[in-house]
Amino acid sequence: GQQVMQIPQYQHVQEGEDFTTYCNSSTTLSNIQWYKQRPGGHPVFLIQLVKSGEVKKQKRLTFQFGEAKKNSSLHITATQTTDVGTYFCAGFNAGGTSYGKLTFGQGTILTVHP
Amino acid sequence: DTAVSQTPKYLVTQMGNDKSIKCEQNLGHDTMYWYKQDSKKFLKIMFSYNNKELIINETVPNRFSPKSPDKAHLNLHINSLELGDSAVYFCASSLWSGANVLTFGAGSRLTVL
Repeated sequence: GQQVMQIPQYQHVQEGEDFTTYCNSSTTLSNIQWYKQRPGGHPVFLIQLVKSGEVKKQKRLTFQFGEAKKNSSLHITATQTTDVGTYFCAGFNAGGTSYGKLTFGQGTILTVHP
Repeated sequence: DTAVSQTPKYLVTQMGNDKSIKCEQNLGHDTMYWYKQDSKKFLKIMFSYNNKELIINETVPNRFSPKSPDKAHLNLHINSLELGDSAVYFCASSLWSGANVLTFGAGSRLTVL
């Protein structure tokens, strides 16, 4: 079945440093999504990437979708303490059915030291 | 107004008991899901219903039985609880089964003693 691998599992940074998490799928994806889960909270949708090679920005966050639509990355510039949480990628593959399945990566737990 | 609401938020129970978690969404979405998040934060899909019809049923013990009385509600009943069932269970919904951006509920933390 489809697998989505995400690295690193943990990342500790000093406030102001950059942060990147990477996601790789075993199969070509229809789209990829990113979610953020604050400590004690629930996953919240950040963005969806659909096109090959797509790059999207949200303030200090930059999301990329690979040319082969099998990998993706999230980069945060100049981290702040409010960036703390677990970041998940989730790959969607319709698989030729009328519905598809979203497969989550293992998540990257980000801690930011002030 | 909470978009996806789950009850209860916390459940502490003994091994062997039966428990239920309820979920309701007021977004008008057609598709609802149950996800299990373990202690390592891994999010695994358990079930998905589209307009009351079961469309995804992952490899989940048959002690877990979902029920969707209408498209706004998806409940999860668990029989004969085991220690390994301890986790946070998230309900989620999406506009339809192919439009898969998920809105999650706040989660129900189940602890089996």
